[in-house]
Amino acid sequence: GQQVMQIPQYQHVQEGEDFTTYCNSSTTLSNIQWYKQRPGGHPVFLIQLVKSGEVKKQKRLTFQFGEAKKNSSLHITATQTTDVGTYFCAGPLQPIIQGAQKLVFGQGTRLTINP
Amino acid sequence: GAGVSQSPSNKVTEKGKDVELRCDPISGHTALYWYRQSLGQGLEFLIYFQGNSAPDKSGLPSDRFSAERTGGSVSTLTIQRTQQEDSAVYLCASSRHVDRPYYEQYFGPGTRLTVT
Repeated sequence: GQQVMQIPQYQHVQEGEDFTTYCNSSTTLSNIQWYKQRPGGHPVFLIQLVKSGEVKKQKRLTFQFGEAKKNSSLHITATQTTDVGTYFCAGPLQPIIQGAQKLVFGQGTRLTINP
Repeated sequence: GAGVSQSPSNKVTEKGKDVELRCDPISGHTALYWYRQSLGQGLEFLIYFQGNSAPDKSGLPSDRFSAERTGGSVSTLTIQRTQQEDSAVYLCASSRHVDRPYYEQYFGPGTRLTVT
């Protein structure tokens, strides 16, 4: 079945270092979403990418969607302790029903930071 | 405005008992989703509703799991004859219907279920 794989599973960095997580889908995606889950919290929507090769930035966060729309990445520049958490990518499972989309989530990358 | 709410926030139950988990989506959100997250794991899709109907129940782990949604709003996830492997955080999410095919999901705080 359709799978979304994410690497690495864990990443520990020193505060100020950069961080990148990668997401790969077994199928072409119509869109990809990224969520952040703080320790003890629930997933919070960060961004959605739709177009092939799309790049979006949110302050220190840069999101990319691959040309083939099968992979994506999230890069954080100069990490801060507030970036701690687990980052999930998610893609819609086909077929998409008008009005809703069932998401397949990657396993997430857990980011810890040494201050 | 108010976000997605879930109740109870924590539930401890004995093996074999039935439990009901409730989700109140954001007002006006037509789609509602249930996920399960085991400790340190990713999100496992269970079921979703478009309005009151559930087009896809394929994620429900067994026939002990059922869900319903009434009035296009509140949803209840019921687990009958709970087993220890049902212990997890059950997350509910909702999304709104707009004239575009892609919908971000807004998650509730979850219900932590512990089966002893």
